[in-house]
Amino acid sequence: DVKVTQSSRYLVKRTGEKVFLECVQDMDHENMFWYRQDPGLGLRLIYFSYDVKMKEKGDIPEGYSVSREKKERFSLILESASTNQTSMYLCASGDRINTEAFFGQGTRLTVV
Amino acid sequence: KNQVEQSPQSLIILEGKNCTLQCNYTVSPFSNLRWYKQDTGRGPVSLTIMTFSENTKSNGRYTATLDADTKQSSLHITASQLSDSASYICVVKGLSGSARQLTFGSGTQLTVLP
Repeated sequence: DVKVTQSSRYLVKRTGEKVFLECVQDMDHENMFWYRQDPGLGLRLIYFSYDVKMKEKGDIPEGYSVSREKKERFSLILESASTNQTSMYLCASGDRINTEAFFGQGTRLTVV
Repeated sequence: KNQVEQSPQSLIILEGKNCTLQCNYTVSPFSNLRWYKQDTGRGPVSLTIMTFSENTKSNGRYTATLDADTKQSSLHITASQLSDSASYICVVKGLSGSARQLTFGSGTQLTVLP
């Protein structure tokens, strides 16, 4: 059974904190993605990575950075959390041609 | 700009009834279209994937149709169950080589009442 695992289901952080969201996949996929999901806006792409140490900005990268040191792990970093980054964060992975995207269970982040 | 529009935004039906969700897209060129089910507080799970040449695909009580000429897809749910209550998301994959080629709809929130 394929698996994409996000490190936390729920997180509460204070404004200004540095926040790390971790994602691990066990399918040897080349592509990994970070999305945020907000009511009425659907899923919006923050960053994606197509190989180890390779990354590209998505549609809303401001305030975020990513790290992919190993193929199976893709981290999303909020350098200085702000209240407008309160959201559901979803990690996904896919093979080189994105035959299908597999999602993690999501991390509900609240910044207070 | 590539877009995926879903309708209705929300739908309430009684258990045992059928329903149909719609998805219109402008993504071109087109590779495939996927329907995902997302339970509250969970990540999306794939229901079906349809390529350009496929018109209909079933997965249990879920049947997806695709008309690539009119760029429309529908997801039909037969004999609904309480567990069908979820958000249903239509995702279209373009043919470009970029990994950002997935375009997501905003979803239809389905509520099944007893």
